Amino acid sequence: SQQGEEDPQALSIQEGENATMNCSYKTSINNLQWYRQNSGRGLVHLILIRSNEREKHSGRLRVTLDTSKKSSSLLITASRAADTASYFCATDAGGKLIFGQGTELSVKP
Amino acid sequence: SAVISQKPSRDICQRGTSLTIQCQVDSQVTMMFWYRQQPGQSLTLIATANQGSEATYESGFVIDKFPISRPNLTFSTLTVSNMSPEDSSIYLCSVDRTSGGFNRYNEQFFGPGTRLTVL
Repeated sequence: SQQGEEDPQALSIQEGENATMNCSYKTSINNLQWYRQNSGRGLVHLILIRSNEREKHSGRLRVTLDTSKKSSSLLITASRAADTASYFCATDAGGKLIFGQGTELSVKP
Repeated sequence: SAVISQKPSRDICQRGTSLTIQCQVDSQVTMMFWYRQQPGQSLTLIATANQGSEATYESGFVIDKFPISRPNLTFSTLTVSNMSPEDSSIYLCSVDRTSGGFNRYNEQFFGPGTRLTVL
């Protein structure tokens, strides 16, 4: 069964706005990873946050992790049309990745 | 990171036939993973393939339906056997790489996927 639940399922914003996606999970984890998938292609690894970290940045991406609430968020700042994609969180609880249902982000120019 | 290629990139197959998907990595890796992504859905792990041992299948997936080979540390195949339209999906392989130096952790890198349509 899927561990991660993501919300929203779909998000539509204007270019330049920020996009926030949330992920919740059920069991203890080693780390949580975020991936992007463009139009049914392969996944691109975006960022990994370890269970002992609370926040991590990479370019326009900011990821937070709250292990007490078993939740994470991905913030994309100053979004671009090229950010249009599906975003998945995945939890690592012992070498296997369990994926959330994903958020479909649409950034309109 | 790792460079991963898959063949074929897409295929259209008839019901009852089988398709073998190949996954090639640019360097040696211990574990390779096979995932299925049904239309509009997230990824579901099919099995984990270690070189030199039988693949470990997740609940709901069996070796007769999805036989896997792992002949060396850079290559694996997944066969989708006796296909039905319900097998229409994207199939992805991935590998994990230990990163982080002192505080080691595993990142997974994915191939481009094989889009399978079964008529």
